[in-house]
Amino acid sequence: DIVMTQSPDSLAVSLGERATINCKSSQSLLYSSNNKNYLAWYQQKPGQPPKLLIYWASTRASGVPDRFSGSGSGTDFTLTISSLQAEDVAVYYCQRYYSPLYTFGQGTKLEIK
Amino acid sequence: EVQLVESGGGLVQPGGSLRLSCAASGFTFSGYSMNWVRQAPGKGLEWVSYITGSSSTIYYADSVKGRFTISRDNAKNSLYLQMNNLRAEDTALYYCARSIDGTNRALDIWGQGTMVTVSS
Repeated sequence: DIVMTQSPDSLAVSLGERATINCKSSQSLLYSSNNKNYLAWYQQKPGQPPKLLIYWASTRASGVPDRFSGSGSGTDFTLTISSLQAEDVAVYYCQRYYSPLYTFGQGTKLEIK
Repeated sequence: EVQLVESGGGLVQPGGSLRLSCAASGFTFSGYSMNWVRQAPGKGLEWVSYITGSSSTIYYADSVKGRFTISRDNAKNSLYLQMNNLRAEDTALYYCARSIDGTNRALDIWGQGTMVTVSS
C-alpha cells in the first residue's frame, strides 16, 4: 500500500510565528523522467472545498501568498508558513499524484496558540 | 468563471446504487483530466477515481474498485460517478476536481460537493 503520513496531526502556533507541517511518503515521489516530485499541498477551511497551495512539491499555485512554501524531495516533504496569519487556520493535506494512486495524507489541523 | 457543480447525492440503502454528476463550465472540459474525491463526515480527504480527457485512462482507489465507475460526456461538459453496492463506509461528501494537466495531476479546481448517505 502507498501511504502518506503527515506530522503532527495538530499544531498550535502564535500569530506571526512559523508553522511547519511534514509529509512522508512510503515510496519516492521523485521521478527521473522529468526530475520532479509528484507532491501537492492543499488547505481546507471549515465548510469549504480544499484549495491547492503547492504542486511539484515547491511551486506555489496562482494567487497563493508567498508566506506559504514547500520543500523536500523523494520521500520527505515540508509545508512552511513563514508568518502565521489568522486566516491560515485550516486543515492542511499533502497528496501524491503519480499514477495510479493519488493518495492524501491524513491531514494536519493548524490552530492559533 | 471556471466552475464545477456536483449533483445527485442523497440517502440510499446499503447495497443500493447512486449516480453522481459534475457539470463543468468556464473551461474546455475535454482538455482536462478529472477526479472524484470524497470526505467522510469529520474525516480527511480520500481520492476515489481519475479519468483522462479522452477517457482512455481510468484509475480507482482500491476501496471502490469493482463497485464504482467513472465516466464523462465531453459534449455535455459532464463528469459522472456510478456507485453500486454501496456500503455505510461510502457515506461522504463527494467532490469533483480538475487536474492541472496531463502530467501535473494536482487538483486545481474543486466543486462544493454533493453528500451521499448510505443508511437503512
